[in-house]
Amino acid sequence: KAGVTQTPRYLIKTRGQQVTLSCSPISGHRSVSWYQQTPGQGLQFLFEYFSETQRNKGNFPGRFSGRQFSNSRSEMNVSTLELGDSALYLCASSFGTGGPGELFFGEGSRLTVL
Amino acid sequence: AQSVTQPDIHITVSEGASLELRCNYSYGATPYLFWYVQSPGQGLQLLLKYFSGDTLVQGIKGFEAEFKRSQSSFNLRKPSVHWSDAAEYFCAVDPPTSGTYKYIFGTGTRLKVLA
Repeated sequence: KAGVTQTPRYLIKTRGQQVTLSCSPISGHRSVSWYQQTPGQGLQFLFEYFSETQRNKGNFPGRFSGRQFSNSRSEMNVSTLELGDSALYLCASSFGTGGPGELFFGEGSRLTVL
Repeated sequence: AQSVTQPDIHITVSEGASLELRCNYSYGATPYLFWYVQSPGQGLQLLLKYFSGDTLVQGIKGFEAEFKRSQSSFNLRKPSVHWSDAAEYFCAVDPPTSGTYKYIFGTGTRLKVLA
């Protein structure tokens, strides 16, 4: 079956702009998590959505937001971009119920802020 | 503070040699434990996981990991490394109190394999 799909794979923005990233989870998965990966900070948890509700949130400023649709697809948005937002943004999906489980990751969206 | 530590940033081994990547966690209770691998330009792939039970866990690609409660460790091992194992390896935990899929990742160990 199809894996986690993230679009776009690469994008370049300038400071002050906003960006929207999309994630389509594996069919049947209802949980979508987002992570930011940078060389300096490593992998950091942004937020997790389950059945269109944000279940958990990491320690990122309010410029980072997300949502999940009824088909479990998710988007994250970053407003007023800063140079430090340059990163690989990874989406991961899972069933989201029945205790801990494996996260299935997409290949990521690489954002460069100039 | 609660954390996951991978003390080795880089490791270089010769092809065919054995490998051990270290991971230590600092939580009051045992978290759920994972090892992921990331090849350049790719997302993360799960190698293995530990929730409970047998402390020696077998994973994909010939990897195994041993959970040691007394040492708060979950080290990854492979008896004979292949050139294709060159990648970055991440230890991750799902903290015991998080209640959701809020994984905490270590900083990663980059593995280089010499021919």
